[in-house]
Amino acid sequence: DGGITQSPKYLFRKEGQNVTLSCEQNLNHDAMYWYRQDPGQGLRLIYYSQIVNDFQKGDIAEGYSVSREKKESFPLTVTSAQKNPTAFYLCASSPQANTGELFFGEGSRLTVL
Amino acid sequence: DAKTTQPPSMDCAEGRAANLPCNHSTISGNEYVYWYRQIHSQGPQYIIHGLKNNETNEMASLIITEDRKSSTLILPHATLRDTAVYYCIVRVRGNYQLIWGAGTKLIIKP
Repeated sequence: DGGITQSPKYLFRKEGQNVTLSCEQNLNHDAMYWYRQDPGQGLRLIYYSQIVNDFQKGDIAEGYSVSREKKESFPLTVTSAQKNPTAFYLCASSPQANTGELFFGEGSRLTVL
Repeated sequence: DAKTTQPPSMDCAEGRAANLPCNHSTISGNEYVYWYRQIHSQGPQYIIHGLKNNETNEMASLIITEDRKSSTLILPHATLRDTAVYYCIVRVRGNYQLIWGAGTKLIIKP
């Protein structure tokens, strides 16, 4: 089935460690996005990519990094510079960047101990 | 900041129509209204969107007032599986950005 796969679903890390969250899509979509969600709040955009080998910062990019070497893959690294990394991370894709109809993965919940 | 205002929570009886309001009084002529929902601890799901005309699909209907300052999402026959947080979002045409508020937590009761 076509869709977006995020892994791992749950992740624990110690302070000071970098961690990479995986996002893979087989929808042949050009655009991909990473969002962060804190309890009881809406989503906030971390990074987005309109096309392979290109990406732009969203509203809360500090402490995060991404790459887009393949159309299907858009991994997110949460670095030790991110002051409050414990959150629910959501990856999404869309056929193009200028559409509001996004397809989301099931999310990755990161807890920093 | 989100450009929409929604009630934080609502209840609806199973089998009845669920009507979720959204206020977007500062909406511009080139901005769409989008609705998503998020079942607990899952990724959001797109429901429907519109510019100025009412829209209907297999999931829901979207009613936009004539002045476009508010809209209502209607789930015609709510089921327990419709329990979720519903987000009303305004998006500029041709822009990638979706600004998410806190949404409305809809609880469907048996």
